[in-house]
Amino acid sequence: GDSVTQMEGPVTLSEEAFLTINCTYTATGYPSLFWYVQYPGEGLQLLLKATKADDKGSNKGFEATYRKETTSFHLEKGSVQVSDSAVYFCALMDSNYQLIWGAGTKLIIKP
Amino acid sequence: EAQVTQNPRYLITVTGKKLTVTCSQNMNHEYMSWYRQDPGLGLRQIYYSMNVEVTDKGDVPEGYKVSRKEKRNFPLILESPSPNQTSLYFCASRSLSTSGRYNEQFFGPGTRLTVL
Repeated sequence: GDSVTQMEGPVTLSEEAFLTINCTYTATGYPSLFWYVQYPGEGLQLLLKATKADDKGSNKGFEATYRKETTSFHLEKGSVQVSDSAVYFCALMDSNYQLIWGAGTKLIIKP
Repeated sequence: EAQVTQNPRYLITVTGKKLTVTCSQNMNHEYMSWYRQDPGLGLRQIYYSMNVEVTDKGDVPEGYKVSRKEKRNFPLILESPSPNQTSLYFCASRSLSTSGRYNEQFFGPGTRLTVL
């Protein structure tokens, strides 16, 4: 079945550092891909999405590009802030319109 | 304000005592779902519903029940809770319009359940 694999956390960075959180997927066809973010004590919320190969999703300074050849959707940000500390989930939508989730990556930003 | 609400936010109970976690959305979404979140396991889907009176099992349905009598509500029922159901639970909803493949899923704030 379809699956999503994320890099294990926690990922600890200093403020203004460059961020990459890796996400790879296994799926039949070309699923839509998503990054969701969960801030402490809250539910998940959509951060960005991409619906076809080579699409780039972006929001709040975060970007991710749908790479069909490497089946990846890595999340990047050029300069992180303390307020970016959260858990980040990569997900895909399968052929039955169900979301398949990665395990989540906790990001800790130190001032 | 468009939102998904869950109640209670926190609950401590004992083994075998039936409980219900309520979930309500005000966005007229067709699709609703329940997840549990456990450390290292990410989100696992318990049950989902594509519309009123239509429910389906997710990945971890054992020990849970749901109902969808109204479009806005999707309660999660634990008939006889056990300690392995201690977890953080999330309700979610989204639209299933013709472009529903890409519609954002909205999450509630979570319910932290402890079963002693």
